[in-house]
Amino acid sequence: NAGVTQTPKFQVLKTGQSMTLQCAQDMNHNSMYWYRQDPGMGLRLIYYSASEGTTDKGEVPNGYNVSRLNKREFSLRLESAAPSQTSVYFCASSETGLRENTIYFGEGSWLTVV
Amino acid sequence: GNSVTQMEGPVTLSEEAFLTINCTYTATGYPSLFWYVQYPGEGLQLLLKATKADDKGSNKGFEATYRKETTSFHLEKGSVQVSDSAVYFCALLSGGSYIPTFGRGTSLIVHP
Repeated sequence: NAGVTQTPKFQVLKTGQSMTLQCAQDMNHNSMYWYRQDPGMGLRLIYYSASEGTTDKGEVPNGYNVSRLNKREFSLRLESAAPSQTSVYFCASSETGLRENTIYFGEGSWLTVV
Repeated sequence: GNSVTQMEGPVTLSEEAFLTINCTYTATGYPSLFWYVQYPGEGLQLLLKATKADDKGSNKGFEATYRKETTSFHLEKGSVQVSDSAVYFCALLSGGSYIPTFGRGTSLIVHP
């Protein structure tokens, strides 16, 4: 049972380069999320997708774009990377509409922008 | 809006000590409450949850009771092990939103 799979696990970018973080879930969940985690800041929501075909901004969307390619996949794109985007990125998914829903996380992608 | 406040860490304990990590929340309606754990180099995983007042969630020796009157969901364990060293996140999900609200996390370090 793979759960939530995200790639790559590690990436080093130069300032101004672009890249896409890929995420896929095999639990048939409607909702998917992208978070970033920085020391002392906890988890911050970048974008989320309540269902296939919809995306919405979270707390820190600037500098990012997302695509909900289908029900399984939700990608995060950095168009022009900046050092402030050095972080650990987590993709997550959950079923929608139930208060007791568990959020399932991927293992994280460590991104360094130099 | 919804918010979750956790005690700041790190919490440093000796093996077999008693653990409490405080969590209080502000939310509209009747949220579900969660504790997630993040081991080094890994993503978050659900530790336990409670969906209504006075419910007790438990798993792997950890417990937390949903206290509506004090809006709290404190995490406890009677005897910690070195392998419990991790970051613990308190979270809530309210009935009106499917987007969870997380606390900032509390690092636990257990020494042999």
